[in-house]
Amino acid sequence: KQEVTQIPAALSVPEGENLVLNCSFTDSAIYNLQWFRQDPGKGLTSLLLIQSSQREQTSGRLNASLDKSSGRSTLYIAASQPGDSATYLCAVNGGATNKLIFGTGTLLAVQP
Amino acid sequence: DADVTQTPRNRITKTGKRIMLECSQTKGHDRMYWYRQDPGLGLRLIYYSFDVKDINKGEISDGYSVSRQAQAKFSLSLESAIPNQTALYFCATSDPRQGAGELFFGEGSRLTVL
Repeated sequence: KQEVTQIPAALSVPEGENLVLNCSFTDSAIYNLQWFRQDPGKGLTSLLLIQSSQREQTSGRLNASLDKSSGRSTLYIAASQPGDSATYLCAVNGGATNKLIFGTGTLLAVQP
Repeated sequence: DADVTQTPRNRITKTGKRIMLECSQTKGHDRMYWYRQDPGLGLRLIYYSFDVKDINKGEISDGYSVSRQAQAKFSLSLESAIPNQTALYFCATSDPRQGAGELFFGEGSRLTVL
């Protein structure tokens, strides 16, 4: 059974720092991996999706990497801003059905 | 207007009552999903549907039922609500023919069962 773990559960950094959020999964036979952002009281917003054949994806200040063999993905946020404060969730898709298995998230606080 | 709309956004009910959460989407996606989110447990899949005639159970379907009334509408029902169904419920859509097939979520329905 696929299990997804995110470490740390919470992170507080000063504005301007570069930071890395980690996601690990137990079954390397994945279809894709997605990173989401969730603001308090809001739904999830898709940030990046990495297909199993890809090593990384970039969008603006965000860069997500995928290492299937080691069961790991990282989300790199450059030059963090207070507006980046949110919970970040990674989710693994084991097949074309898009039945995602979610981690429990990392709560990020960027201090001004 | 949101592409994925959930109603109600908040609901407080009593044990044993029947509750329906509704989801509608304007994205034209075939696939729709219902998840619940609990503190410390992340999101878990309740039911999913690939089209009006194709409905499938997720990992935690007991105590829930769904109806796909049209391509754009997918409802989740709790026939007899119980307190451990208190959670934040999300509807999501996707279409592997569009973009990378990522999921798009509604803003959630917070349900409290007393």
